[in-house]
Amino acid sequence: GESVGLHLPTLSVQEGDNSIINCAYSNSASDYFIWYKQESGKGPQFIIDIRSNMDKRQGQRVTVLLNKTVKHLSLQIAATQPGDSAVYFCAEILRTGGFKTIFGAGTRLFVKA
Amino acid sequence: DAGVIQSPRHEVTEMGQEVTLRCKPISGHDYLFWYRQTMMRGLELLIYFNNNVPIDDSGMPEDRFSAKMPNASFSTLKIQPSEPRDSAVYFCASSRGQGFADTQYFGPGTRLTVL
Repeated sequence: GESVGLHLPTLSVQEGDNSIINCAYSNSASDYFIWYKQESGKGPQFIIDIRSNMDKRQGQRVTVLLNKTVKHLSLQIAATQPGDSAVYFCAEILRTGGFKTIFGAGTRLFVKA
Repeated sequence: DAGVIQSPRHEVTEMGQEVTLRCKPISGHDYLFWYRQTMMRGLELLIYFNNNVPIDDSGMPEDRFSAKMPNASFSTLKIQPSEPRDSAVYFCASSRGQGFADTQYFGPGTRLTVL
């Protein structure tokens, strides 16, 4: 898939280090938030989500932190591996009768071996 | 399960031509979503269906775009007539529900180029 390309923020980390990817969201009424990973030539893939009434949620090697005061979301990847190289998107989901999903611009993560 | 299936994977057409993109969602999923991804605008939701019924088409750019879901296992996104600014990657996604923990599964996308 064609990720949002040349103008994406980029994070470069050494293999084995921890990565922190940040996202600012826009709507304080968002119901929950999702992090997606998109590898080159593929569609976005769900990583982890978090409800708006939570501050932190952990998965396998990933942790999402939510700071509603400043409308900030972060994704922490422990012991980053070459396979983690991808574009990462945050998404906020608003309950508006139905649900509305708003994606962030994305961050490109490079993992150096 | 094979996941969400999209066809074609690549489409190159000339301005003014009709383009039809196809999607087969994951069996048992009640929601189907069409997204467009471009460098300038990122990932945008165009329309989504629940049980084959269009629920929100507010993201459809204009009347040249139309989407249908004649049954639970098939959906189309049609552009007629196509324009160069429609060039993008179009993703289809499906999910069981639309609440927390109802993961959307994305297809591989169709890369559309309109000359």
